[in-house]
Amino acid sequence: NAGVTQTPKFQVLKTGQSMTLQCAQDMNHNSMYWYRQDPGMGLRLIYYSASEGTTDKGEVPNGYNVSRLNKREFSLRLESAAPSQTSVYFCASSQEGLGKLFFGSGTQLSVL
Amino acid sequence: DQQVKQNSPSLSVQEGRISILNCDYTNSMFDYFLWYKKYPAEGPTFLISISSIKDKNEDGRFTVFLNKSAKHLSLHIVPSQPGDSAVYFCAARGSNYKLTFGKGTLLTVNP
Repeated sequence: NAGVTQTPKFQVLKTGQSMTLQCAQDMNHNSMYWYRQDPGMGLRLIYYSASEGTTDKGEVPNGYNVSRLNKREFSLRLESAAPSQTSVYFCASSQEGLGKLFFGSGTQLSVL
Repeated sequence: DQQVKQNSPSLSVQEGRISILNCDYTNSMFDYFLWYKKYPAEGPTFLISISSIKDKNEDGRFTVFLNKSAKHLSLHIVPSQPGDSAVYFCAARGSNYKLTFGKGTLLTVNP
């Protein structure tokens, strides 16, 4: 039972570098999400994809892009990393409309 | 503007006693509420939920209460166990089925 798989688990970047966080789910869910968690800030939605072929901005989309590659995969790209993007990133998926999210184990990203 | 508020950053209780975690919200359009539990270095996991048409939902040791007029919900854990020590997030479902999360409450259950 893999559920939601995120890679990598840890990453250190220099300011200005780019990278892509990968996420895949094997539960045949329609909706996928990217959240970031910062100390004292809870979980904030970056982007989401309600269904294959659609993506929408969440609460904090600036500096990020996403791709819903197929029903299983939803990637998050940082084109030019900034120290403010140091955070823990969580990918999640859900059956459309239910609200119950299944989360991956997270990617801890540090931007120096 | 914080639509989902968890005003207690932390809570400490003794094993066997009741833990009560609180959550307030401001958006009356929220129609579904959830609690998630998070251990260090892991992703959040779903714990329990409640629809806005109900005022109580139970699942074993966990009970969620919803007071719509006060825009308040609470999670009761009885009896509390050391393994319950974690960060608990309250979440509310709004438009497009997006969830808005609170900042979390760190629960510590002391043996």
